[in-house]
Amino acid sequence: GQNIDQPTEMTATEGAIVQINCTYQTSGFNGLFWYQQHAGEAPTFLSYNVLDGLEEKGRFSSFLSRSKGYSYLLLKELQMKDSASYLCAVRDRNTDKLIFGTGTRLQVFP
Amino acid sequence: SQTIHQWPATLVQPVGSPLSLECTVEGTSNPNLYWYRQAAGRGLQLLFYSVGIGQISSEVPQNLSASRPQDRQFILSSKKLLLSDSGFYLCAWSARARAKNIQYFGAGTRLSVL
Repeated sequence: GQNIDQPTEMTATEGAIVQINCTYQTSGFNGLFWYQQHAGEAPTFLSYNVLDGLEEKGRFSSFLSRSKGYSYLLLKELQMKDSASYLCAVRDRNTDKLIFGTGTRLQVFP
Repeated sequence: SQTIHQWPATLVQPVGSPLSLECTVEGTSNPNLYWYRQAAGRGLQLLFYSVGIGQISSEVPQNLSASRPQDRQFILSSKKLLLSDSGFYLCAWSARARAKNIQYFGAGTRLSVL
């Protein structure tokens, strides 16, 4: 079967660093995606990992360990506008579909 | 550049009424198209996806249906809405034959069935 786990909520302070974890089980892995979703809006693509290691893009980085079924999204120099839900999604190699986690709601406080 | 349009943004419908949500993509050809539903506190649930005109795959048996009358048009319909159909409906597209196959989402339709 397929399962994706991520914390429901997290809080952090403006200017700080926060790490959002995601663990997954899938019968066939073909890439992991992170999306950002502000309340009432559509998800927007943040990052993609298919090989082990760290992908850095500005203040955001995403890490993948396929052997551990684990990823994290690292947000540096937090800003108030980073308050949003962060969705982890895994692409199933057999069906090519994305399986989404329920999302982690991040609140950034001043 | 590619854009995806989805409308209406919000919709309030009585139980038993019909539904039609429309999604169009511009700036690309032969996209993969998707309909998702996001209920409060739950992850995105894939409802339908399409790899071409008239080709629809249904993920969850329910009273919803989808159609793709044109290459870049995807329609979600229902003949009779249920209370449980309330939610945030999202259309998405991805480019065919791309390694990453990133899905890009429309602005969404918030449907309330009363």
